[in-house]
Amino acid sequence: EAGVAQSPRYKIIEKRQSVAFWCNPISGHATLYWYQQILGQGPKLLIQFQNNGVVDDSQLPKDRFSAERLKGVDSTLKIQPAKLEDSAVYLCASSTTFRWIEQYFGPGTRLTVT
Amino acid sequence: GQNIDQPTEMTATEGAIVQINCTYQTSGFNGLFWYQQHAGEAPTFLSYNVLDGLEEKGRFSSFLSRSKGYSYLLLKELQMKDSASYLCAVRDGNGRGSTLGRLYFGRGTQLTVWP
Repeated sequence: EAGVAQSPRYKIIEKRQSVAFWCNPISGHATLYWYQQILGQGPKLLIQFQNNGVVDDSQLPKDRFSAERLKGVDSTLKIQPAKLEDSAVYLCASSTTFRWIEQYFGPGTRLTVT
Repeated sequence: GQNIDQPTEMTATEGAIVQINCTYQTSGFNGLFWYQQHAGEAPTFLSYNVLDGLEEKGRFSSFLSRSKGYSYLLLKELQMKDSASYLCAVRDGNGRGSTLGRLYFGRGTQLTVWP
């Protein structure tokens, strides 16, 4: 079974530029999560989708971050414009339902904002 | 809100036993999780406790006391490959619908296993 796929794996941009990350969850997983993991900290949930609907985006900085999951499968997370403090690893995870025990994480995208 | 506390670093030698503690204060509780994260890699699921007591899975065991807001992960017969960060996470169980099921992660405990 293929795991959660993410691209790109690494991205370096200057502040005020835009960037987009892509995630393809495990086939059949209805729930998709985007996390931000700053160096030395645990992952922090940014947004959670159930199929193509948003379940929880209360921790997403909506003035600069946006995410979509148009067909209920893959998803994109965008930052526009980026700030220095956005430097982090962005992890995508999926599960069969938001109540299921295990979330499966992708390899992440390491973003460096200079 | 959620407050999850775990030690920043621990060291141990190969073959030994190590216990990583986690304390939490949450407005709601619907399960405690342990994840392992090797440097530069994604977290992988280790264990889940929702009732008090010990859950054993091979070399790894996890304990939960809900009344004390306390959990530990026990690793036996340590191997070099166990060197990693161990993340304690609590699932929200009392929030409003939109946050129900949200995982709150601690900062992680970096375990180094020496030969």
